[in-house]
Amino acid sequence: AQKITQTQPGMFVQEKEAVTLDCTYDTSDPSYGLFWYKQPSSGEMIFLIYQGSYDQQNATEGRYSLNFQKARKSANLVISASQLGDSAMYFCAMRGDHASGGSYIPTFGRGTSLIVHP
Amino acid sequence: NAGVTQTPKFRILKIGQSMTLQCTQDMNHNYMYWYRQDPGMGLKLIYYSVGAGITDKGEVPNGYNVSRSTTEDFPLRLELAAPSQTSVYFCASSASGTSNYGYTFGSGTRLTVV
Repeated sequence: AQKITQTQPGMFVQEKEAVTLDCTYDTSDPSYGLFWYKQPSSGEMIFLIYQGSYDQQNATEGRYSLNFQKARKSANLVISASQLGDSAMYFCAMRGDHASGGSYIPTFGRGTSLIVHP
Repeated sequence: NAGVTQTPKFRILKIGQSMTLQCTQDMNHNYMYWYRQDPGMGLKLIYYSVGAGITDKGEVPNGYNVSRSTTEDFPLRLELAAPSQTSVYFCASSASGTSNYGYTFGSGTRLTVV
């Protein structure tokens, strides 16, 4: 079974500073993917970034980067130069690889609420 | 540029009523999912489908039913609505079961049962 743990219910950051949102996972699947989604107050789920378990380099997408430490089973999201519009809930998720017999049903963490102060 | 479309966006039901939440995607995705999100919580999987004619239960299927007669549509049926079903419901789809494919979400349906 897969498990995602987000231990920070809420985080605060000053505008223009960097912030790290924690995510640890547990899985027995040999191949898996890790995702981060943003949910602003309007409610939609917005895909931010993806990291594959076999990717050698940490994923980056603009101001978002994923600090992937496979041995520690962590996939922390780093947001650089925070903006007021970054205030939202952030969810970490993972799925396995159906073709490899893994659990392709995505598992979500409980989320971290980020508030960016001006 | 539709992606995943959910209707309605808001609905108030009385206890015991039934309704169908509609979900349609135009990306030819085989994998589709229904989640519910309770206040302050993450997403819990209700049902999922890996293709037309194939559905299976997720973590919290009681009180719900689904069907998948076409690739595009994955409606969620609530029978005999209860206050515990007050939640935000999200439909999502994915192109593949491989681990590097993300999910496209609909905008959600906010359901209140009174």
